[in-house]
Amino acid sequence: IAGITQAPTSQILAAGRRMTLRCTQDMRHNAMYWYRQDLGLGLRLIHYSNTAGTTGKGEVPDGYSVSRANTDDFPLTLASAVPSQTSVYFCASSPDGTSGQETQYFGPGTRLLVL
Amino acid sequence: GQNIDQPTEMTATEGAIVQINCTYQTSGFNGLFWYQQHAGEAPTFLSYNVLDGLEEKGRFSSFLSRSKGYSYLLLKELQMKDSASYLCAVREGDYKLSFGAGTTVTVRA
Repeated sequence: IAGITQAPTSQILAAGRRMTLRCTQDMRHNAMYWYRQDLGLGLRLIHYSNTAGTTGKGEVPDGYSVSRANTDDFPLTLASAVPSQTSVYFCASSPDGTSGQETQYFGPGTRLLVL
Repeated sequence: GQNIDQPTEMTATEGAIVQINCTYQTSGFNGLFWYQQHAGEAPTFLSYNVLDGLEEKGRFSSFLSRSKGYSYLLLKELQMKDSASYLCAVREGDYKLSFGAGTTVTVRA
């Protein structure tokens, strides 16, 4: 693996179902992020983690939860999916999370359709 | 919070120059990023500005004026492969990034 991987690539989900989107990075980055991208709204931060064992809420956290048990993995869980959670989900990571000039590296995205 | 504005769409001819403007309002500022995103793909880093002035990187340049809350991305000698969305993102004091909605650039032959 090189960089960030996400799974699944795409998913169709019935409303009310539980779903976990997976994200793994092999760059030993401390900080990881989950965004959703919707047409006309740009990328919006859902949750983040500055280091393993800690998480924080972003701009649109409702309906989502995350965990960071180790450095490499940062899964995003939808406890009970609703149609408004239809979106493209991007996972990202950065080396530190508290350094001004470091950039974030993005995974390929998961396209989720909730019916 | 952030208020980041950029044009929705721009069209230009191959070989031409296009300037994408971004204005922002923020309670704290820790740098401005530009990302490129091709359709169906992940955003990729293009440039970073934290001090006023111009940063040049080959065909791409980015400018920042902190007092005006203004940045632009300049794409020179446009190529067909430059057709993409360009995202302006501002980092606040808490080091989180806030993104604009993106500008879709279409390059025509």
